[in-house]
Amino acid sequence: DAKTTQPNSMESNEEEPVHLPCNHSTISGTDYIHWYRQLPSQGPEYVIHGLTSNVNNRMASLAIAEDRKSSTLILHRATLRDAAVYYCILRVSGSARQLTFGSGTQLTVLP
Amino acid sequence: KAGVTQTPRYLIKTRGQQVTLSCSPISGHRSVSWYQQTPGQGLQFLFEYFSETQRNKGNFPGRFSGRQFSNSRSEMNVSTLELGDSALYLCASRLTWSVSTEAFFGQGTRLTVV
Repeated sequence: DAKTTQPNSMESNEEEPVHLPCNHSTISGTDYIHWYRQLPSQGPEYVIHGLTSNVNNRMASLAIAEDRKSSTLILHRATLRDAAVYYCILRVSGSARQLTFGSGTQLTVLP
Repeated sequence: KAGVTQTPRYLIKTRGQQVTLSCSPISGHRSVSWYQQTPGQGLQFLFEYFSETQRNKGNFPGRFSGRQFSNSRSEMNVSTLELGDSALYLCASRLTWSVSTEAFFGQGTRLTVV
């Protein structure tokens, strides 16, 4: 399975941008990059996904490197509610289509 | 629209018993997956159902089983419970089978085995 590597933890100040990195050097051409987050005492929540091009939605932006070996989730203005574990996941085409969660990045937002 | 509903939210069982957890997906979603979350192992995939057929299974013993009904609702069953089965069990639904489709998770069922 294609693997992802994320920092264990990151801190940000409230109302500042946050850049959460993810390395996926073994990504293949048809693998989608998905980001989920899990707030305390909640199930994971979809954030964003992309294949090759950068993507934006109401929650965040996803910047994908040209060689696709890394990506960055960008929260434009962090709020206290954004404190969560953020998971970068590769969705692999083929028979095994489950979400394979790593350990994620614990984001702490400081007031 | 209503989200993914899991029942019950909390459950306490004794070793050796069996348990059935229920998941109602978002209306129109045909794919339901189950995950186990523990502090030590994190989130681990159990199995996925699509159109009443199990499409994929994680690396769990046969004591863990599931099924999906014609209305897409799903149940998972754990027989002969062990202390190590204490975990948060999460269900996720997806509209389609495509890998680009986002998954919507329920709040989970917290199972405690004593």
